Amino acid sequence: SAVISQKPSRDICQRGTSLTIQCQVDSQVTMMFWYRQQPGQSLTLIATANQGSEATYESGFVIDKFPISRPNLTFSTLTVSNMSPEDSSIYLCSVVRVLAGADEQFFGPGTRLTVL
Amino acid sequence: SQQGEEDPQALSIQEGENATMNCSYKTSINNLQWYRQNSGRGLVHLILIRSNEREKHSGRLRVTLDTSKKSSSLLITASRAADTASYFCATVGGTSYGKLTFGQGTILTVHP
Repeated sequence: SAVISQKPSRDICQRGTSLTIQCQVDSQVTMMFWYRQQPGQSLTLIATANQGSEATYESGFVIDKFPISRPNLTFSTLTVSNMSPEDSSIYLCSVVRVLAGADEQFFGPGTRLTVL
Repeated sequence: SQQGEEDPQALSIQEGENATMNCSYKTSINNLQWYRQNSGRGLVHLILIRSNEREKHSGRLRVTLDTSKKSSSLLITASRAADTASYFCATVGGTSYGKLTFGQGTILTVHP
């Protein structure tokens, strides 16, 4: 299995500021994704982090609000910009390693963000 | 709207009993996966069933898939207090590896 770490594990931020979340994987993976889980809700895909190019965003999410980088096959960052209390959520990194005939998907431990 | 709908939203049982959770989805899928989440932490992948499979087992877990009804069920047999968690189904369509559409989840409480 892939070991995924996220930093920070949690943070409390002030309205209007930005936070960058890091995702590090212990081995090269094919695909990386960022998900959001709002309080008491299920998970929603924010975007696919593409190595060396712009991320692919899902409907309702834009690059100005959630800029994403993926400089190599094992690392990605998600920035939550100009935060408001509505951004309070758990943000999870997820990776897929596509193997012949199968694919394995793993989730990081999540970053719990509270915006005051 | 969310692809998956799960029922029940909450389930409370005694240790040793079986727990069954259901998931319905709306569009065609490549596979359906079940995940567990403890107390708002990261997700743990439990089992994956492909669209051409009807049933799959893993330890105390049994998953069924009925593509004609666009539904799946997760059965946990002989439940334990440690099984207390939220359980989510998630679907993948086509070749959209990793792009999961999650159901709303079932909160399972197993009383010792």
